[in-house]
Formats: sequence, structure tokens, C-alpha cells
Amino acid sequence: GAVVSQHPSRVICKSGTSVKIECRSLDFQATTMFWYRQFPKQSLMLMATSNEGSKATYEQGVEKDKFLINHASLTLSTLTVTSAHPEDSSFYICSLQGVATNEKLFFGSGTQLSVL
Amino acid sequence: DAKTTQPTSMDCAEGRAANLPCNHSTISGNEYVYWYRQIHSQGPQYIIHGLKNNETNEMASLIITEDRKSSTLILPHATLRDTAVYYCIAQTGANNLFFGTGTRLTVIP
Repeated sequence: GAVVSQHPSRVICKSGTSVKIECRSLDFQATTMFWYRQFPKQSLMLMATSNEGSKATYEQGVEKDKFLINHASLTLSTLTVTSAHPEDSSFYICSLQGVATNEKLFFGSGTQLSVL
Repeated sequence: DAKTTQPTSMDCAEGRAANLPCNHSTISGNEYVYWYRQIHSQGPQYIIHGLKNNETNEMASLIITEDRKSSTLILPHATLRDTAVYYCIAQTGANNLFFGTGTRLTVIP
């Protein structure tokens, strides 16, 4: 069964609006979640690491004020794309770590964001 | 994290074994080899991982060479649903995995 629930699966929004994407851990408490972005025909790029109860760690080149991450509980992390622009259109995917650090990552089903 | 090299694309006939190679010649002793796949417009799916020994599960087998500089993912009986991009990743832990370009496997009827 699914371990990670990501919503919405698809969203279309106008330029300048904000979009929130939710990532829920269904089976266990996840202290760490990861957010990836994938442009068409490209590989996944890690955007940030979300830690429960603390500030997220962003990868180089990712604007923390534009991509707001909130990990307020052990089962929920949210990514908010603020003031979205067409160049933010992408496939956003969350993942969470298993219990052991060398265990597999569990991935959400992804959110296709289209900004008009 | 060790760099991995994979062929850009491969074809495989339905029902035959698909053998996907991965080169990780700079892998260090504490780095695992992970394999994930991504079917179009979906999140990546874990397949298998290993450190030194060969591994097998219900999805695939992972063969790691003795010097650990390369590995092969084997899908024993490929089906059309196995068409996907397959990623080989060499890292010390499963956290914040870094994905390369992967191999686009096309299973042909």
C-alpha cells in the first residue's frame, strides 16, 4: 500500500498566485522529508530537505522565500510555491526516509504544476 | 557521493530478461548502490539496493561486481509495464538521493 500521499496531483494556476502542495506520511513518523523538482525530459533535482520542527535546508540555487516549506508534524510537510510564474511550471515530488538511514526512500506520486 | 554512468536508453523484448548496467568506478566502501525507476508522470519507485553482495527481491536482482565498480540490474521477465527510466545511485545513505539521467528502458511487444 501507499506510504506517501501527495496532493494535489495536478494544479493549474494563474501567474502571481501561490500554490500549496501537501506530502503526508501514511505509515510512520517521518522526521525528514525531501522535495524534488523535475522539468520535462530531465532528471529529478533535489530542492530542499524538510526537517520536522526546524527550518528546511535548501539546495544551492533554490530560493527559500519562493519555495516555502513547512514540516509542522511528523506526518505532514508542505511546499508552497509563492507568486508562481510560468518558469515554476514543473513536476514536484516529495519523498520521505525510512527508519534506517540506508533504507529506501518512499516517493509521492508527484504534483504537476502549470502556471499560466 | 560516487558518480554513476548508465546508458541513455535500452530496448528489451517482452518476456526476456532486461539487464541494465551501471558503472560506479569511484564508489567508496560505505556507499550503497540503489536502483529506482520512474514511470512517466509518476514518482520514483524503489527497486532494490545493495552494498557488496548480490541481492534479489520480487522485482529484480542486483549483481554487484567483486570490486564494486559496476553493477547490473536484472528484470528477469520484462513486461510492457516495466517501460520506465531506471536510475542507479551510489550513496552512503538513502537520504536526499541525487538522481542522474538514468536509462530509458523500452520493453517491446
